[in-house]
Amino acid sequence: DAKTTQPPSMDCAEGRAANLPCNHSTISGNEYVYWYRQIHSQGPQYIIHGLKNNETNEMASLIITEDRKSSTLILPHATLRDTAVYYCIVRNQGGKLIFGQGTELSVKP
Amino acid sequence: EAGVAQSPRYKIIEKRQSVAFWCNPISGHATLYWYQQILGQGPKLLIQFQNNGVVDDSQLPKDRFSAERLKGVDSTLKIQPAKLEDSAVYLCASSLEAGGNTIYFGEGSWLTVV
Repeated sequence: DAKTTQPPSMDCAEGRAANLPCNHSTISGNEYVYWYRQIHSQGPQYIIHGLKNNETNEMASLIITEDRKSSTLILPHATLRDTAVYYCIVRNQGGKLIFGQGTELSVKP
Repeated sequence: EAGVAQSPRYKIIEKRQSVAFWCNPISGHATLYWYQQILGQGPKLLIQFQNNGVVDDSQLPKDRFSAERLKGVDSTLKIQPAKLEDSAVYLCASSLEAGGNTIYFGEGSWLTVV
């Protein structure tokens, strides 16, 4: 079973920051937080991952709380093409990705 | 860099028929995964290969599903005989190794069983 909890849906205005929350209160010390997104009719796309430090790349930023029980994915300037289902996944070094239901993000003009 | 390639992209078959999906992972990736995604749900892992060996097939319905990766590169997923509830997207993914590396997905093969 997925070890994360996400809101089923969110809206965001185009050009604004999209902040997607994720709860993972049972995360273990050696487990990473991964974010993927899935645009309609495509395969999941890797966004970012982190262990305990905040991470940033060209797509997004990942903020992990100090106790590691929750995290937030930030898309700094959302565009219509960011409309997708976003999955927050806790993954250990063994490698399995276990997907939950994800958050359906709708970016509106 | 070429991504994970899958074919066919779409397939419609009648129940009790058989179907096969093919996957070519990213060059050099030792680990290959097959996922099943039913409409409205997240992907579910069916089987994981490390080179040509099976690491995890605990979620694979072995009475009708089979998968192989004979030379440690390409892989084939077969369903025989298909049931209506097998209608789903079958996603192939790969990573350099099993532990800690980013997993990359293909576009998926859409199966409709009628």
